[in-house]
Amino acid sequence: SQKIEQNSEALNIQEGKTATLTCNYTNYSPAYLQWYRQDPGRGPVFLLLIRENEKEKRKERLKVTFDTTLKQSLFHITASQPADSATYLCALDKRAGGFKTIFGAGTRLFVKA
Amino acid sequence: SQTIHQWPATLVQPVGSPLSLECTVEGTSNPNLYWYRQAAGRGLQLLFYSVGIGQISSEVPQNLSASRPQDRQFILSSKKLLLSDSGFYLCAWKEGGVGVGYGYTFGSGTRLTVV
Repeated sequence: SQKIEQNSEALNIQEGKTATLTCNYTNYSPAYLQWYRQDPGRGPVFLLLIRENEKEKRKERLKVTFDTTLKQSLFHITASQPADSATYLCALDKRAGGFKTIFGAGTRLFVKA
Repeated sequence: SQTIHQWPATLVQPVGSPLSLECTVEGTSNPNLYWYRQAAGRGLQLLFYSVGIGQISSEVPQNLSASRPQDRQFILSSKKLLLSDSGFYLCAWKEGGVGVGYGYTFGSGTRLTVV
């Protein structure tokens, strides 16, 4: 069955360091992969989308890589700040023919000052 | 710009009571609208999606239903709540639907506790 996995253990890092979160998937051929930020008690907020033919995408301090051979995406936050503390979700979309996006359960990030 | 409103923020309901959650979108017309549920430690589960007025597709058979009475209004309902209906409910809008290369815009969510 289709599965998307994110590290269920929280990631604790020191302010100023680079946070790296992982999203792995199986039995799926996504056309797009998305990353979201979710604060406690709030809806997810869209951050970045990367297409299957893109290896890397950047937005300010954020960088996403997408390796369709390894079936993995890495999400990097450089120069992390305590305000970056949140849960980060990845999500996969098919190109066409369906209406289902699958979401990972998310990884909680704590950035210590 | 597009905004999405969802209410109420929290709700505590007894088992067997009815439910109505409302979602409205501003700043766009004929949006594709979605209802998701998020359980603790789990990924978002798609419940319903709608591509237009009166057009509802259900992803998971359950005692919930959805309606779209107006272009920018999406309602999630139940006639009789179950304990298992507890969760965090999210309304979302996505330009062009799944697979077109845009992210979702989510509402602020409703925390439903069935007691």
